[in-house]
Amino acid sequence: DAGVIQSPRHEVTEMGQEVTLRCKPISGHNSLFWYRQTMMRGLELLIYFNNNVPIDDSGMPEDRFSAKMPNASFSTLKIQPSEPRDSAVYFCASSTEVRETQYFGPGTRLLVL
Amino acid sequence: KQEVTQIPAALSVPEGENLVLNCSFTDSAIYNLQWFRQDPGKGLTSLLLIQSSQREQTSGRLNASLDKSSGRSTLYIAASQPGDSATYLCAVINNNDMRFGAGTRLTVKP
Repeated sequence: DAGVIQSPRHEVTEMGQEVTLRCKPISGHNSLFWYRQTMMRGLELLIYFNNNVPIDDSGMPEDRFSAKMPNASFSTLKIQPSEPRDSAVYFCASSTEVRETQYFGPGTRLLVL
Repeated sequence: KQEVTQIPAALSVPEGENLVLNCSFTDSAIYNLQWFRQDPGKGLTSLLLIQSSQREQTSGRLNASLDKSSGRSTLYIAASQPGDSATYLCAVINNNDMRFGAGTRLTVKP
């Protein structure tokens, strides 16, 4: 298996622009997680899905952030409008079930100017 | 709210040395605890997962222990190698909430 796939790997955009991050989980995994990592705040869970349904989005910082999982093999995290403080590395992870071992993607490094 | 602390924040040891990384958590009602490794500019790699009913897990030169009552876990690395240099993070799951520590940055010098 190719593991968790994320795209793009790097994104540079200007403040106010819409940013869409993409994730393909490992085939057969039922749970998908979105994380954000910064030097100041470390690794934070933003939202997670189980069987394509959002279970907990309490970590989503603001209404500017939204996530969808239209099917078992694809998820998006959207930021609209983006702000410089959104600059971070965004990771997607998947697992067979919510409480089992998570497998992380390589991350998307986002820079908002 | 669960808080996860890792000490030390950074550690440098000579090759071949055995070492222990520490993780503490404030809410002992955990479901499981995981140790991850993160290399610079990379994602996280799961090393060991300990269920709340378990006391330890072993994989190769790695041994992780869990003491729920005291809110502590340790990751023991035997015979360290330069390739072990990375940041090690512990993560705790309570119900459906996962919290990460800030990590310990390990450097193993040849």
